[in-house]
Amino acid sequence: DTEVTQTPKHLVMGMTNKKSLKCEQHMGHRAMYWYKQKAKKPPELMFVYSYEKLSINESVPSRFSPECPNSSLLNLHLHALQPEDSALYLCASSQRLAEHTQYFGPGTRLTVL
Amino acid sequence: GESVGLHLPTLSVQEGDNSIINCAYSNSASDYFIWYKQESGKGPQFIIDIRSNMDKRQGQRVTVLLNKTVKHLSLQIAATQPGDSAVYFCAGVGPGAGSYQLTFGKGTKLSVIP
Repeated sequence: DTEVTQTPKHLVMGMTNKKSLKCEQHMGHRAMYWYKQKAKKPPELMFVYSYEKLSINESVPSRFSPECPNSSLLNLHLHALQPEDSALYLCASSQRLAEHTQYFGPGTRLTVL
Repeated sequence: GESVGLHLPTLSVQEGDNSIINCAYSNSASDYFIWYKQESGKGPQFIIDIRSNMDKRQGQRVTVLLNKTVKHLSLQIAATQPGDSAVYFCAGVGPGAGSYQLTFGKGTKLSVIP
């Protein structure tokens, strides 16, 4: 199983809503990542978790709150987002933080109204 | 920081022809370079990687070439098929054995003409 799954596939939310994105992998990977991708642009790193602990926060606004409940799950909690936060949110995982090959999920297409 | 970019934003090739997608990088300290394929509505899919101490690596129908002298990376796809239509990103990793960060190039959209 080399699959990273993400739910929901699409999400539309208002600026006052609270929602969560979910990511799951069963490859035994201990590093997990959140990326943001705008149209026709490459992915931009947001957060990195290693062994369920936050390792890297790439100066992401506090309206994005990551959570890693266990080694297989990664959540991204959203609150008070802005329309410019609309993007494809990608989750990825790798065996370890030092392992360069990252496997990406299909993404969640987020629209903020 | 490292900058990884591409020469051509779009590329159209006839089905059955070979495709060459190019990438230039500015920081020669990367340990690895990786090519990802991203189809419409999907996440990036790992294609092939190459260590910085190698010049060439072959996979199934794909070959990556690394020219460190001119800081240039290319992905060659043999006998291009309609299913190869996608955006292709190069990414640098490192420097350092513990480095995790992928620095992506801008992407090249490959369109295969049937």
